[in-house]
Amino acid sequence: NAGVTQTPKFQVLKTGQSMTLQCAQDMNHEYMSWYRQDPGMGLRLIHYSVGAGITDQGEVPNGYNVSRSTTEDFPLRLLSAAPSQTSVYFCASSYEGGSYEQYFGPGTRLTVT
Amino acid sequence: EDKVVQSPLSLVVHEGDTVTLNCSYEVTNFRSLLWYKQEKKAPTFLFMLTSSGIEKKSGRLSSILDKKELFSILNITATQTGDSAIYLCALRSNNNDMRFGAGTRLTVKP
Repeated sequence: NAGVTQTPKFQVLKTGQSMTLQCAQDMNHEYMSWYRQDPGMGLRLIHYSVGAGITDQGEVPNGYNVSRSTTEDFPLRLLSAAPSQTSVYFCASSYEGGSYEQYFGPGTRLTVT
Repeated sequence: EDKVVQSPLSLVVHEGDTVTLNCSYEVTNFRSLLWYKQEKKAPTFLFMLTSSGIEKKSGRLSSILDKKELFSILNITATQTGDSAIYLCALRSNNNDMRFGAGTRLTVKP
């Protein structure tokens, strides 16, 4: 099991550029989510999905899009990057319902200049 | 709006000390409260609590939830330098929304 994988590990973007952060899991988890982590603010939920074809907004969804076409993959798209999106991004997954141990990917450090 | 507040924000102790970390919350539809440990990279799961008064224990770590007073505590006994980390409390609501507190940074000195 590779667990939760994220690519890239690091990325630098210019303001206005677009990009996709990739997230994949091989544990057949229904629930997947994206967080951003900024200093002193803990983790904030951006978007989440409870299964293929189903997505929903979290606490800070603006400026980000997601889709869930397969159980394994949950990409996060930045349509027009802004300096306020400089952050560390974590993807996570878990089984839906029951014991909720959420597994986190290693993170992507994004800088927008 | 759902809210999670952790205290203290940071704590410095010496090896062998016992620490108590606090997490208070406000939530519309409570499903579970979770504790994570974050060292250099991604958070790792410690406990999930759903019922009041039932202590979860793993080695020197334990946690309990009070759903009437809306708080949880995480205890670490006989602290070691390897316990140095940020400890995160998170709330999951029935609509699958997750809210994290800002975390408590614990430093354990030799």
